[in-house]
Amino acid sequence: EVQLVQSGAEVKKPGESLKISCKGSGYSFTTYWIGWVRQMPGKGLEWMGIIYPGDSDTRYSPSFQGQVTISADRSITTAYLQWSSLKASDTAMYYCARSREAGMLHRSFDSWGQGTLVTVSS
Amino acid sequence: EIVLTQSPGTLSLSPGERATLSCRASQSVSGSKLAWYQQKPGQAPRLLIYGASSRATGIPDRFSGSGSGTDFTLTISRLEPEDFAVYYCQQYDSSPRTFGQGTKVEIK
Repeated sequence: EVQLVQSGAEVKKPGESLKISCKGSGYSFTTYWIGWVRQMPGKGLEWMGIIYPGDSDTRYSPSFQGQVTISADRSITTAYLQWSSLKASDTAMYYCARSREAGMLHRSFDSWGQGTLVTVSS
Repeated sequence: EIVLTQSPGTLSLSPGERATLSCRASQSVSGSKLAWYQQKPGQAPRLLIYGASSRATGIPDRFSGSGSGTDFTLTISRLEPEDFAVYYCQQYDSSPRTFGQGTKVEIK
């Protein structure tokens, strides 16, 4: 069974750094693209970026380029989303999700993590 | 960037009725690289339809997708109580992979 298990909720202050995780299991982690999606409170879904764990090829949405860093550690089948300096506007639920087909970038997301709620408040 | 516009914003229907949701793209989505997702409160999105018309694994056949180019439709033939949720379309043809703003299907 394909599973993506995300790290727990975080409460941070503006200016702090943060790295959240998404552990994949039940499939060949290195051969499927994994993406990150933001959902601000009461709002819709926003595609942030995507990584291919096999070679760490990473693509970002222009809206998030330079604001976050996406990475992956193949040895522990885990993808990451990190911030160097959080803002209050980063408060949101963040989901990781797997591309539906191995090796293919232009595919929908067929498996999703449960989400990580990030709250940034002074 | 391809902008996806979903309509209506909210659809008020009764169980057993037919739901028709629209997703219009600002430019052509090649290869019908369009998906539909369902999201219930407090849950992650779930893939319903990919390739504009292919049902994902385990999705009941009351869900169907159609369309090409710039106009796409999700149809729920007979609404079940568990179908009341928010539905998003997404294009994965070009970067960034944009989502529509969502259509809420609520109980009338």
